[in-house]
Amino acid sequence: QQQVKQSPQSLIVQKGGISIINCAYENTAFDYFPWYQQFPGKGPALLIAIRPDVSEKKEGRFTISFNKSAKQFSLHIMDSQPGDSATYFCAASETSGSRLTFGEGTQLTVNP
Amino acid sequence: DGGITQSPKYLFRKEGQNVTLSCEQNLNHDAMYWYRQDPGQGLRLIYYSQIVNDFQKGDIAEGYSVSREKKESFPLTVTSAQKNPTAFYLCASSPRGHPNYGYTFGSGTRLTVV
Repeated sequence: QQQVKQSPQSLIVQKGGISIINCAYENTAFDYFPWYQQFPGKGPALLIAIRPDVSEKKEGRFTISFNKSAKQFSLHIMDSQPGDSATYFCAASETSGSRLTFGEGTQLTVNP
Repeated sequence: DGGITQSPKYLFRKEGQNVTLSCEQNLNHDAMYWYRQDPGQGLRLIYYSQIVNDFQKGDIAEGYSVSREKKESFPLTVTSAQKNPTAFYLCASSPRGHPNYGYTFGSGTRLTVV
């Protein structure tokens, strides 16, 4: 199975700070990189996604940075809020594939 | 509203018992997936189906079975052969039979062995 490695496993940030979660992948055929947000007892929901033809994508306070040569991508949450406290999963897939490959998840806690 | 409905939300299973988790979607998506989530282990793929009457094993299929008789439905049976079934089970779907258009997840079923 092609892996996606995610770090850190847990992250504590103060309100107003920047949260950064990193992922690295092996399969150079991956061409779709989404991030999912999951609140306790709920299913994950798509937060933001990027394709490798761009190096950065921003939606509100959430930004994906993508480094194709390093095979890494990261999620930045600016001005982190307590409501952002959740588990975040990175994932990757390829157009010819049939499934998403998920990272292990990062539990984010934003303290007020 | 379109979405994925998983039922029941909570399920309790006795030792040696088979149980079936329901997953229904009205998004007209072709592909459907079942994941298992354990604390600290992320999402592990159990089975997936890209078209009706066809499905493939994922990474942890042992002790599970599925069917895909209708496009809208993809039930998962946890059999007595699954030795550690206590977990949070998530169903997902995606359009056009592959995930590059994004997954939509249900709200999950929490299964506990009693």
